[in-house]
Amino acid sequence: GQNIDQPTEMTATEGAIVQINCTYQTSGFNGLFWYQQHAGEAPTFLSYNVLDGLEEKGRFSSFLSRSKGYSYLLLKELQMKDSASYLCAVKDSNYQLIWGAGTKLIIKP
Amino acid sequence: IAGITQAPTSQILAAGRRMTLRCTQDMRHNAMYWYRQDLGLGLRLIHYSNTAGTTGKGEVPDGYSVSRANTDDFPLTLASAVPSQTSVYFCASSDGGGSGTDTQYFGPGTRLTVL
Repeated sequence: GQNIDQPTEMTATEGAIVQINCTYQTSGFNGLFWYQQHAGEAPTFLSYNVLDGLEEKGRFSSFLSRSKGYSYLLLKELQMKDSASYLCAVKDSNYQLIWGAGTKLIIKP
Repeated sequence: IAGITQAPTSQILAAGRRMTLRCTQDMRHNAMYWYRQDLGLGLRLIHYSNTAGTTGKGEVPDGYSVSRANTDDFPLTLASAVPSQTSVYFCASSDGGGSGTDTQYFGPGTRLTVL
């Protein structure tokens, strides 16, 4: 079967750095996505990785290792508005997105 | 309008009733999707449409039907609602074309409670 694993919840301090991990086992791989979802709102696109390595976008970076079936999302200079759930999703061999359950990130002052 | 709209925002429904959730996009995207999101679970695909006139079944299609008469609209119908269909429903759209980079954009969701 297909599986995406993420920690259920993480806590971090305002101004700090946090790394949210995602491991996956899917039938095929056509890219990995990270989305942000604030409580009661829609998921919004953050990043896409298809090749190994780090993609940086401002305070957010995403890393991929296809051989390890592993990705992480790195958030720097945390702000209170970063409190949200972060969803990892992999596009499989049929180009369908398989979603993890999400990591709820709590930011404390 | 800009992006994707869904209606209603929320609904309480008696079991056995028929319900249609509406979804409209103005981005001229070819592909559209319906997901349900339940606590502790990832988004699960119900049905999808790669282009107007075609539809396909996702991971959890039972009890749901869809149609895609035109590019903009993709309604989801529950023929006879059951309590296990209580969930938050998200509609999404993308350019399509089957590429890996094809990114999905989501509507605001419909919170449905079936009693």
